[in-house]
Amino acid sequence: DGGITQSPKYLFRKEGQNVTLSCEQNLNHDAMYWYRQDPGQGLRLIYYSQIVNDFQKGDIAEGYSVSREKKESFPLTVTSAQKNPTAFYLCASRVDRGLTGELFFGEGSRLTVL
Amino acid sequence: QQQVKQSPQSLIVQKGGISIINCAYENTAFDYFPWYQQFPGKGPALLIAIRPDVSEKKEGRFTISFNKSAKQFSLHIMDSQPGDSATYFCAASMETGANNLFFGTGTRLTVIP
Repeated sequence: DGGITQSPKYLFRKEGQNVTLSCEQNLNHDAMYWYRQDPGQGLRLIYYSQIVNDFQKGDIAEGYSVSREKKESFPLTVTSAQKNPTAFYLCASRVDRGLTGELFFGEGSRLTVL
Repeated sequence: QQQVKQSPQSLIVQKGGISIINCAYENTAFDYFPWYQQFPGKGPALLIAIRPDVSEKKEGRFTISFNKSAKQFSLHIMDSQPGDSATYFCAASMETGANNLFFGTGTRLTVIP
């Protein structure tokens, strides 16, 4: 079945450690996105990529990094510079680079910093 | 600054009742308004969407009402069922520009049997 796979589902990290969240899609979508979800704040855009080897910062990119070496993969690294990394992280994709049209989401990765 | 304001934050409705969630925006360049439904521990999924050239769109028990002059849109869930219990997000985007969907803060709906 086509979809977006995020891993791991749950992740615990000590302060000062970098962690990488995986996002893979087999929908053949051009555009991919990373959102952060916190209670009462909705979904906030971290990074997005509209094409391989290109990506742009979203609203809250500080302390995060991404890469887009393959069309199907868009990993997110949460660095030690991120002041408050405990959150639910969602990866999404869209069929084309247009700004309308359906976003397809993965099931999320919950990161807890101990 | 929140581009899309959503209310209420939480909503409790009896089975069979009508659930109403409201959203408001300021940017008149927005031209696409989707609603996403999220169950606990899952990612959001598109429920229904509308463009500003129509004032209402209905899909089954779900209806979006859109008021362009007031810059408001709302989701109505008729005959609400316990299976509708989820968090609902409204969103808005524009055809041009470097960014994408701006989400509301979400409404947690609980439908009591």
